[in-house]
Order: sequence, then structure tokens, then C-alpha cells
Amino acid sequence: EVQLVQSGAEVRKPGESLKISCKASGYSFTTNWISWVRQMPGKGLEWMGRIDPDDSRSNYSPSFEGHVSFSVDKSVDTAFLQWSSLKASDTAIYYCARLDNFYAMDVWGQGTTVAVSS
Amino acid sequence: QSALTQPASVSGSLGQSVTLSCTGSSIDVGTYGSVSWYLQRPGKAPKLLIYGVSQRPSGIPGRFSGSKSGNTAYLTISGLQAEDEADYYCSSYRGTSTLVVFGGVTRLSVL
Repeated sequence: EVQLVQSGAEVRKPGESLKISCKASGYSFTTNWISWVRQMPGKGLEWMGRIDPDDSRSNYSPSFEGHVSFSVDKSVDTAFLQWSSLKASDTAIYYCARLDNFYAMDVWGQGTTVAVSS
Repeated sequence: QSALTQPASVSGSLGQSVTLSCTGSSIDVGTYGSVSWYLQRPGKAPKLLIYGVSQRPSGIPGRFSGSKSGNTAYLTISGLQAEDEADYYCSSYRGTSTLVVFGGVTRLSVL
């Protein structure tokens, strides 16, 4: 079964760092880009960007560039989303999703809830 | 404000058909054949319904269909079922540094 399994919920204070994960299974991890999508409480979906697991090339949506970073570890088929300094406005559910050739997200992780509060 | 415009809500009766719209511009929906539709139920991850404007992934029933005219894409759901009550999002490839944009969600109520 093709699936993406994300790490568990996190609670942090403003200014702290955080790295969440997305582990792929059931397919060749380096075949498809991985996208990250934010969903703030009660709001819609926002595309954050994508990373190529094969060579770690990344594209960031302008709204997120400079505030988050993507990475992968091919040895464990896992993608990561990282913040060096969290803000309260980063409170959201973050999804990873496999990106196909049509820029459609055909497989989704279950989401990781991130809460940032002092 | 989302990049693609969707009606906030639509409703339909059991067994009827409804059509959801998704309006973009010439830099996304109007030019590229990479429109997708997603369904999201409360507390769950989104699920892909349509990709490439009108193609269905395996396992998606044929009563979900997609189309496009100009800068607007459409998702038609025929034979409405109670389980179709959910939030629906469209997305499109955009020929800018943003690459992918989403619509602002349509909440479907099944009466």
C-alpha cells in the first residue's frame, strides 16, 4: 500500500525550532516530488512548496520562502519540514503529499498538528 | 484571499447532481491542463478526486467528473449521496514561482 505517515503532534513556544517528518512506503521514494501543504485552524489549504527526494531540489511558495525549509533522507524514505524560529501564526496542520506529473497531490499523509503558544 | 475562487457553499438533494466551480486566470486554470479537485472530510486529510482537469484516480466513482471552460474549472457530482457532504478544494498549476495554487473551499451540503 502506498502511504505517507507523518510524525505526531507538536507543541512549541515562539522562537523555538521544529522538524516534522513524512515517511513514504509502498513506492519508490525518489520517483515523485513531495509537497507540503498548510491548513490553519478553520481555514483552507495552502501550498508551501515541494522537494525532489532524488536530489533535494526545492521550490518554495513565496509566502513561505525564508521561513521554512525542506529536506529529505533517502536512506529512510523520509521528507522533513523544518522551522528555525516558530511564530504563533505557524499554528496549523501540516500535510505532506506526493506530487504527480499533473501537479496533483495523489497520496496524502495524515497531517501533523503544530501548536505554537507562549 | 485564495488564488482560485470557489463558491463558499453549495447544496443539493440526495440523488441529484451539483456542479462546483473554480475560477482562476490565464496564468493557471485558463492555460494549463493541471486542475485537480480534492475532498476533505472533517478531521481527515484531503483526498484526490480529479486530476488533469477530468481524469479520475483509480477507486474514485464515475459520478465525479471534471471539466474546464476558459478560466473556470468544474466538478460535477451526480447521484448525490450523504457521504458526499464535505469540503471541496480545487487546485491548479500556475506558471509563476508559486507553482501550485488552491481555491478557497466549497462546503457541500446534501439535503
